[in-house]
Amino acid sequence: AQSVAQPEDQVNVAEGNPLTVKCTYSVSGNPYLFWYVQYPNRGLQFLLKYITGDNLVKGSYGFEAEFNKSQTSFHLKKPSALVSDSALYFCAVRELDTGYSTLTFGKGTMLLVSP
Amino acid sequence: GAVVSQHPSRVICKSGTSVKIECRSLDFQATTMFWYRQFPKKSLMLMATSNEGSKATYEQGVEKDKFLINHASLTLSTLTVTSAHPEDSSFYICSAREGSWADTQYFGPGTRLTVL
Repeated sequence: AQSVAQPEDQVNVAEGNPLTVKCTYSVSGNPYLFWYVQYPNRGLQFLLKYITGDNLVKGSYGFEAEFNKSQTSFHLKKPSALVSDSALYFCAVRELDTGYSTLTFGKGTMLLVSP
Repeated sequence: GAVVSQHPSRVICKSGTSVKIECRSLDFQATTMFWYRQFPKKSLMLMATSNEGSKATYEQGVEKDKFLINHASLTLSTLTVTSAHPEDSSFYICSAREGSWADTQYFGPGTRLTVL
């Protein structure tokens, strides 16, 4: 079975400061990891994904995520937060090796960036 | 990135009626489409997975006779909520994947269903 944990319901950060949204995962084999962002009353927008290769993945809107196999983590980061980054962020995982498994989502972390 | 549209964005209906929600992949052919349900301040719950031309695979606990899914073409999937009741009120989001299981899933903007 696969699972995703986002330990923080909410993250607060001041505009201009760096932000981190945490995610840890559990899969039987190799993970295929995603971050999505959801604005109010909207669907999910794809930010970035990790399959293989460089552990630091760069995505949309200046976001990046670092894959850490030993810690089974895939934390989302941004060097300088914007007020417009305030939204709900979801981490998701799929097992890479089976090919037919579905995405499992974390419960989401609300990011609030204050001016 | 790829674009997925949903229609309508918002629908209000009376209890006992049926509602159809359309999901379209606008700039790619979606071999696989997914339907999710999201409750307020909650994560997404996968309802079913459908492959073009095949019957949908429903997740445990999802009534297939109540939530009818049709994936008749590579760009269109529909979800019909039959005999809707107030407890069916929710935010429904579709997602589409182009071909390979390795492809990214892209999500539609969602449909807010309110059953009176």
